[in-house]
Amino acid sequence: LAKTTQPISMDSYEGQEVNITCSHNNIATNDYITWYQQFPSQGPRFIIQGYKTKVTNEVASLFIPADRKSSTLSLPRVSLSDTAVYYCLVGMNTGFQKLVFGTGTRLLVSP
Amino acid sequence: SQTIHQWPATLVQPVGSPLSLECTVEGTSNPNLYWYRQAAGRGLQLLFYSVGIGQISSEVPQNLSASRPQDRQFILSSKKLLLSDSGFYLCAWSVRSRGGDTQYFGPGTRLTVL
Repeated sequence: LAKTTQPISMDSYEGQEVNITCSHNNIATNDYITWYQQFPSQGPRFIIQGYKTKVTNEVASLFIPADRKSSTLSLPRVSLSDTAVYYCLVGMNTGFQKLVFGTGTRLLVSP
Repeated sequence: SQTIHQWPATLVQPVGSPLSLECTVEGTSNPNLYWYRQAAGRGLQLLFYSVGIGQISSEVPQNLSASRPQDRQFILSSKKLLLSDSGFYLCAWSVRSRGGDTQYFGPGTRLTVL
């Protein structure tokens, strides 16, 4: 399983764009990159998943460079409700996979 | 649509007492099921996973056990709780998709062992 490294915490203000970078130097060919969001006392919630280049959905964008050794979750115009812990995970897209959750990045959005 | 339920939502138990946490999934068949524990301010620790009825794999040695008596039911148990068993217990399910085995989490159970 590829190990991931993320910043422990980040601070931002409402309306700003937030970029959280995750490094995964040992990512395997079949691994996908997935980001989850977790609020206090709730289960993690799937945000976005990608394999290469760029993926965008209604809440975030995921940028993955050609070497796939890192990825960046981009949250456009954050609000106070985006204050949460964000986890980056990598895992295989074939068969069963055991995801390894690190400590994540604690994002604090201030007024 | 698929939903996942966990109960109870909170639980306070004395040391040495038994434990049974239940997780059920609706709206899908033959899901992979998982039990995680999260200590305060920490990441998630995978405890057990199951790819089918009666198939349980344990990730860490501990005094907890898991069972899957039905396709969409996953139970976490202990015969005698320890103080260190306190934490936030999360059940998750997944099915294989093109983009990987995305996991979907339940609301969790907050367990306090006194």
